[in-house]
Amino acid sequence: DVKVTQSSRYLVKRTGEKVFLECVQDMDHENMFWYRQDPGLGLRLIYFSYDVKMKEKGDIPEGYSVSREKKERFSLILESASTNQTSMYLCAGTSGRSEVAGELFFGEGSRLTVL
Amino acid sequence: AQSVTQLGSHVSVSEGALVLLRCNYSSSVPPYLFWYVQYPNQGLQLLLKYTSAATLVKGINGFEAEFKKSETSFHLTKPSAHMSDAAEYFCAVTKRPQAGTALIFGKGTTLSVSS
Repeated sequence: DVKVTQSSRYLVKRTGEKVFLECVQDMDHENMFWYRQDPGLGLRLIYFSYDVKMKEKGDIPEGYSVSREKKERFSLILESASTNQTSMYLCAGTSGRSEVAGELFFGEGSRLTVL
Repeated sequence: AQSVTQLGSHVSVSEGALVLLRCNYSSSVPPYLFWYVQYPNQGLQLLLKYTSAATLVKGINGFEAEFKKSETSFHLTKPSAHMSDAAEYFCAVTKRPQAGTALIFGKGTTLSVSS
């Protein structure tokens, strides 16, 4: 089975801490995404990447950065965590093949609480 | 710009009843449209997708959706609800209709099924 793994299911951090959310995929996918999910707001795109060392901003990139040094790993970084970044974070991957465009494979999510 | 609107944040049905979850889209180009399902404490998984082939699309678990360009709709239906269908459902559209592009999600509809 294909798999997207998010290293931490639950995290509790303090305001101002630097936070790393890690995501690893074993499907050789070119494309990887970070979304945040909040009740009543659905999923909102933070950043995505089409290739190693490439990144593009999504709809809500403020306060976040990303790193993709290897194809299989896509990290989301909160440089200085704030309480309004308390949320569920979902990582996803998909092949670059056009016939499967939009078929995202999601990890189980990382629930971050910032105190 | 692409967007989707899901009508009704919460839908309740009885077991065996018809399920109808509504989604309307806005797109300046021919869209790719998707329905995803999220079970409690899990990531999202693909139910079905429309990519400009047949307008009636069949997915997993007995769900189907019909693309209606004149109504800019892509409603999800299932003839007979099962308790296991209780979950949150998301409609999504591609941000750009090319391989691997990020999806724009609706705010989600929670489906409750009572016995």
